[in-house]
Amino acid sequence: RKEVEQDPGPFNVPEGATVAFNCTYSNSASQSFFWYRQDCRKEPKLLMSVYSSGNEDGRFTAQLNRASQYISLLIRDSKLSDSATYLCVVIVNTNAGKSTFGDGTTLTVKP
Amino acid sequence: DGGITQSPKYLFRKEGQNVTLSCEQNLNHDAMYWYRQDPGQGLRLIYYSQIVNDFQKGDIAEGYSVSREKKESFPLTVTSAQKNPTAFYLCASSGANRVKESGNTIYFGEGSWLTVV
Repeated sequence: RKEVEQDPGPFNVPEGATVAFNCTYSNSASQSFFWYRQDCRKEPKLLMSVYSSGNEDGRFTAQLNRASQYISLLIRDSKLSDSATYLCVVIVNTNAGKSTFGDGTTLTVKP
Repeated sequence: DGGITQSPKYLFRKEGQNVTLSCEQNLNHDAMYWYRQDPGQGLRLIYYSQIVNDFQKGDIAEGYSVSREKKESFPLTVTSAQKNPTAFYLCASSGANRVKESGNTIYFGEGSWLTVV
């Protein structure tokens, strides 16, 4: 079993749709969580951190469920520009610094 | 502007040659990383370094070597022992000593494309 698992998709949705991705992690001691966005042939860029209490940034909402060991990303009112691959990142030990990336979920938003 | 600079962006290597990819950061980050990404795949960790003069193997270190002589620099050498080196290589850094719930945000360079010809 991988340490961090994501549904690879692809998720094909119409503009304006609401879409949600989950990312499960295996180590219950994990401390820090992030969502990154990666466009084709580009480097990943931070989308948002995931806080224990959940957090929202415009159309994006991230949540953490420690009991079930997953994080989620919700995108409301999808735009064409949201088409990308979304990577979740889990850090077990904040001081050790080693991060584990999921393989990503590909989203395509269509007109 | 602060950031991570990778060079070269595109590199062609003949079989049997060693090549070195440069990574420099001016973010004053302690930790630096090298990842490899193959087409349609996720990121795989090659090496990482928490502090100057120290580094650790990641999941796919065979055929690669690194050095961390300066805080700002973490070059990666792809040796001839790496049999399938064609890939997208990403360097990253993070502030590993930041004490906050969501510390250790990782920042990436723009990547280097290595092709074996």
